[in-house]
Amino acid sequence: DSGVTQTPKHLITATGQRVTLRCSPRSGDLSVYWYQQSLDQGLQFLIQYYNGEERAKGNILERFSAQQFPDLHSELNLSSLELGDSALYFCASSAGGLNEQYFGPGTRLTVT
Amino acid sequence: LAKTTQPISMDSYEGQEVNITCSHNNIATNDYITWYQQFPSQGPRFIIQGYKTKVTNEVASLFIPADRKSSTLSLPRVSLSDTAVYYCLVGDPRRYGQNFVFGPGTRLSVLP
Repeated sequence: DSGVTQTPKHLITATGQRVTLRCSPRSGDLSVYWYQQSLDQGLQFLIQYYNGEERAKGNILERFSAQQFPDLHSELNLSSLELGDSALYFCASSAGGLNEQYFGPGTRLTVT
Repeated sequence: LAKTTQPISMDSYEGQEVNITCSHNNIATNDYITWYQQFPSQGPRFIIQGYKTKVTNEVASLFIPADRKSSTLSLPRVSLSDTAVYYCLVGDPRRYGQNFVFGPGTRLSVLP
C-alpha cells in the first residue's frame, strides 16, 4: 500500500460524457502527478501540481483538466470522452525535491 | 528533455543476476536517473535513484558511468516475483516544468 488513494476504482461511461477522478496523496506530500496508461501508449505523464499550483504539464488534452485543492487532494476532469480515452489513470504523490513518486492503485476508465 | 532507450524485453532464470541498461545520451547536468518497477494493473513502484557512480539499496544496484550517458539497473538473484516492466526515468524532479517521460520500459520475464 503506497498510501495514495484513488477513487473510483472502475468507471464505465459513454462517449461524450464527463467524469471526475479523485486522488488523495500520501500524508504530507505536496506534489501530485497524473498519468494515463493505455495498452498502445504506455505510461503518459499528464500534469503535476505542487501545493495547489500547476508545476508541469505533459501530454494532457484540452478536454482534460485538473486541480489540487487546499487539503492537497486532486481531481482530474475528463470531458467529451472518446473511446480512445479508455485507459488506466494513475495518480502519484511525492514530498517534492528529489523524493520518489508513490503511485496509487489507479482508476480504470472504460468509455463505450 | 532526455530521451531514453531500453531493451523492450529480457528473459532470465530464477537465481540469476539481471542487468538492464538504459541509454540517455542527452542527459542534462542536473538530471537524475530513477528506476521504477510495474506489475500488471498496478501503479509503478520506485526501485532506486542515482546521479553518478554506484548506488545500492536492499533490492537493487544502479551503476552510472562517468559520462552518465547510460545506466544499468542490477537485480541480484531474481525470483519469479521480479517478473515485471522496468522503467528508466531521466530528469530533474526539482525542475519547474519537468516532463516525466517513462518510455516503453523493459519487460522482464523470470523463468523457473
